[in-house]
Amino acid sequence: DAGITQSPRHKVTETGTPVTLRCHQTENHRYMYWYRQDPGHGLRLIHYSYGVKDTDKGEVSDGYSVSRSKTEDFLLTLESATSSQTSVYFCAIRSGGAGDTQYFGPGTRLTVL
Amino acid sequence: AQTVTQSQPEMSVQEAETVTLSCTYDTSENNYYLFWYKQPPSRQMILVIRQEAYKQQNATENRFSVNFQKAAKSFSLKISDSQLGDTAMYFCAFMKIGTYKYIFGTGTRLKVLA
Repeated sequence: DAGITQSPRHKVTETGTPVTLRCHQTENHRYMYWYRQDPGHGLRLIHYSYGVKDTDKGEVSDGYSVSRSKTEDFLLTLESATSSQTSVYFCAIRSGGAGDTQYFGPGTRLTVL
Repeated sequence: AQTVTQSQPEMSVQEAETVTLSCTYDTSENNYYLFWYKQPPSRQMILVIRQEAYKQQNATENRFSVNFQKAAKSFSLKISDSQLGDTAMYFCAFMKIGTYKYIFGTGTRLKVLA
């Protein structure tokens, strides 16, 4: 447990509505990540952050935006949710020591109807 | 671009037996880390084991060990004395040192049978 929480843990929304997922960490890690997990695809990187206000795109960033105004919080926003964004979303941090290991939050299951 | 391949979508093993999960990766890099993560039905991603590419010695963690073959770009996970609690999805992951971006395989679903 690297002190990572995600909220909400479950959400059901409708197509076209905006959705924001929050990741919160308590251990001052510089790097934070958002992944989505889908059957047959494993975990795919959406966006990541390497510091406050410093973010970059991953392999599946279309339709998603992120913000990081504080070290401890990394927000993922779906501006206009689509059914293809139904997924489980994981936040992760990179541990600065111990071989650059990633530690994950508990995940958020998002359903877009 | 790096890729990670797990060619076994599903596997099963009898309790107390040994099972090996396969992972291959494609990279032209020399310095990287490899990881195995476990995802039980609770959905939490849990680090199982980590291997530094510059280390020839295979990593071990209790009942979990790896067979790291750098030239063959292979990184298999061996679970000894399988327990019911080992039932989970297992993901292999690669990270080139310095990039801080991780590439995951598609996972192997392991079921331990009583």
